[in-house]
Order: sequence, then structure tokens, then C-alpha cells
Amino acid sequence: DSGVTQTPKHLITATGQRVTLRCSPRSGDLSVYWYQQSLDQGLQFLIQYYNGEERAKGNILERFSAQQFPDLHSELNLSSLELGDSALYFCASSASGSNTGELFFGEGSRLTVL
Amino acid sequence: QQQVKQSPQSLIVQKGGIPIINCAYENTAFDYFPWYQQFPGKGPALLIAIRPDVSEKKEGRFTISFNKSAKQFSLHIMDSQPGDSATYFCAAWGSRLTFGEGTQLTVNP
Repeated sequence: DSGVTQTPKHLITATGQRVTLRCSPRSGDLSVYWYQQSLDQGLQFLIQYYNGEERAKGNILERFSAQQFPDLHSELNLSSLELGDSALYFCASSASGSNTGELFFGEGSRLTVL
Repeated sequence: QQQVKQSPQSLIVQKGGIPIINCAYENTAFDYFPWYQQFPGKGPALLIAIRPDVSEKKEGRFTISFNKSAKQFSLHIMDSQPGDSATYFCAAWGSRLTFGEGTQLTVNP
């Protein structure tokens, strides 16, 4: 158990809809990262937050947004969903903002867009 | 843009064999190279990591070899076991963690 909690574990929705994925980092970790894992794209970095502030942005679509709240949990919002958004979405956390890549991953949220 | 190339995509060995997974990178700003292990239905978990000023690191049955001049690094699993069957990802840290494409390892009994 990594200590990172993600909900929901599975989500099925329709094209055009909006969903919110939630992540609770390990106790004391200030950084939260979101990754998308699909069969043909591997693990793609989406965005990082550190103590409530956006720290780095990767291949995140404009239809997607994220935030980190004062209690350090984070939410990833996916809107105007398309079939191609079906993937596993992982949240990871680490203790500091600029670390060595030692991230602790949750078990992921599997999104299926029909 | 994929900055870490990983091979092979899949690998099958017999129990006791030594699977080797290779990775190459281009960005010389990378300064930390972790390997992650992922079992089905689980998130990736840190397995072992190395810095570029070290040529080899061993932790139990897992060894990383690092060739800074060639910008290549590899994972060796000694005396592999069926429980090692998983997907392995190499990664590189610069300002963010960039993953390789993954290698699905199967260790047959």
C-alpha cells in the first residue's frame, strides 16, 4: 500500500460528459502528480501541484484541469470527454516539490468513455 | 515527445533466468534514473534507482547498470522468479519524471 488513495477506481461515462477524479496523497506529501496511462501512449505526465500551486504542466489537454486543495488532496477534472480519453489515470505524491523522481502512486482510476 | 526509449516491449524467461531491460535517453539534464514495477491492477511502485555518477547499483536480485557516455542504462533481474512477472518502466528525472514505454516481463515456472 503506497498510502496514496484514488477514487473512484472505475468510472464509465458517455462522450461529452464531465468527470472528476480525486486523489489523497500520502500523509505529509506536498506534491501531487497526475499521469495518464493508455496502451499506446504509456505513462504520460499531465500536471504537478506543490502545496496548492501548479508546479509543472505536461501533455494535459485544455479540456482537462486540476487543482490541489488546502488539505493537499487533488482533483483532476475531465470535460467534453472523447472516446480517446479512456485510460487509467494515476495520481502520485512525493515529499518535496523538486525531488528525485521517487513518486508514490495510487492504484489508479480507470475511465471508460462510451 | 518520448525522451526515454525502452526495449524490449515484452520478454519471456524461465525461472532462474536473467532478464535484461534496456533504456536510452537523450536529455543530458536528466540526473536521476528510477525503475518502477507495475503489477496488473496496481500503480507503478519504485523498485530501484541510480544517479549518473554511479555505474552500477544492486538491491537484492535487481541491478542497474549505467553508461553515462552512451546515455544508456539497464535493469538486470538475477535468479528471476514467477512473482517477478510484471511490467517494468525505466524513467528519468529532470524537472519531471519521464517514463519509458514499459516492458512486460513473464517468468515461467
